[in-house]
Amino acid sequence: QSVLTQPSSASGTPGQRVIISCSGSNSNMGTKNVYWYQQFPGAAPKLLIQRNDQRPSGVPDRFSGSKSGTSASLAINGLRSEDEADYYCAAWDDSLSGPLFGTGTKVTVL
Amino acid sequence: VQLVESGGGLEQPGRSLRLSCAASGFNFGVYAMSWVRQAPGKGLQWVSLIRSKAYGETTEYAPSVKGRFTISRDDSKSIAYLQMNSLKSEDTAVYYCATGAWPLEHWGQGALVTVSS
Repeated sequence: QSVLTQPSSASGTPGQRVIISCSGSNSNMGTKNVYWYQQFPGAAPKLLIQRNDQRPSGVPDRFSGSKSGTSASLAINGLRSEDEADYYCAAWDDSLSGPLFGTGTKVTVL
Repeated sequence: VQLVESGGGLEQPGRSLRLSCAASGFNFGVYAMSWVRQAPGKGLQWVSLIRSKAYGETTEYAPSVKGRFTISRDDSKSIAYLQMNSLKSEDTAVYYCATGAWPLEHWGQGALVTVSS
């Protein structure tokens, strides 16, 4: 079964840059766009990055995404305390015939 | 856009439960609808989707729920449903409905389903 693999945690001090990686396969990230979701405790996920590197309206420009082959990354520049949340990458998976979410990364602001 | 899930609760293994997702603020009939779940302390897992009438209301299911769960929609009421049969303890999760097949742009607040004897 396909998996999108992320580090379980990442951390940084305010103002630092944090990068979260996401690794998939040809049935998903290799041929499909990657999306990133942000989720605060007790809340629903929110779309943060769409189509690999595009920010929906209202998302601060300190968040950026990139993709290369079967890997993608989310960068948070100028880390702020309010960025402390869980982050999930996701992509459509042809073998699943549905979207596949990454394992999730908890970002802590030290 | 507003999505409000209801119908969650405590149910015994082997029993059934039906979740509803009441939608407002957009043209429900032209959108696919999806369900995603999140077990306590775990990550997100896609469950099912139903396409719009224009796409034949075709459905897709995650392997873990195929044959047990059924997704449906009532465009006249702007409601999406998830009928969950033969519930297992591993179905315990917060269930979110969301707009679209992919990407999932708008999400409800979630409904907690607990399967336990």
